[in-house]
Amino acid sequence: AQTVTQSQPEMSVQEAETVTLSCTYDTSESDYYLFWYKQPPSRQMILVIRQEAYKQQNATENRFSVNFQKAAKSFSLKISDSQLGDAAMYFCAYRSGEDSNYQLIWGAGTKLIIKP
Amino acid sequence: DVKVTQSSRYLVKRTGEKVFLECVQDMDHENMFWYRQDPGLGLRLIYFSYDVKMKEKGDIPEGYSVSREKKERFSLILESASTNQTSMYLCASDKRGLGGYGYTFGSGTRLTVV
Repeated sequence: AQTVTQSQPEMSVQEAETVTLSCTYDTSESDYYLFWYKQPPSRQMILVIRQEAYKQQNATENRFSVNFQKAAKSFSLKISDSQLGDAAMYFCAYRSGEDSNYQLIWGAGTKLIIKP
Repeated sequence: DVKVTQSSRYLVKRTGEKVFLECVQDMDHENMFWYRQDPGLGLRLIYFSYDVKMKEKGDIPEGYSVSREKKERFSLILESASTNQTSMYLCASDKRGLGGYGYTFGSGTRLTVV
């Protein structure tokens, strides 16, 4: 069975600096998707960025980028120029590409604190 | 703008009550999911549905049931609420065959059972 591990329960960063959140996963599949979701204190989960495993290029969305290391089964999220609005819980998730209707497998989450 | 709407943001119920949590999506999504979120435990899947009148148990279905009579609506039912069901409940949906795009979530319902 697939698993997702986020080893950092909490991270803090100074405003305007860069922070990297870690995520590792375990799977025997070659076709899959990886996601980072953000859950601010307002609670609605928002998709931040997604990565397709067959694409070697790392996904980027404005200040958010990933470092996808397929062989190492690592999928870290880098947030550049951190802003107060980035404070949230961040969840890493995996989904099988062999059955894309299968549910997401979630990490436990990392709480990101932004220091002004 | 596509939406998943959960009928209540906050709910307080008494032990033993039958509780209905409603979730409606306007995106013509086939797949719908109910999660429970507790501090330190992340998201745990309660039930999911791939189509109308279909349902599948997730990781923690005990004490819950669901109903999907219409495509857009997925209801979570606590047959007899207990204090250990005090939690945040999240509904999500996505389109069959487009799993690579992830879920759309509702805003969550904070349920307190007293």
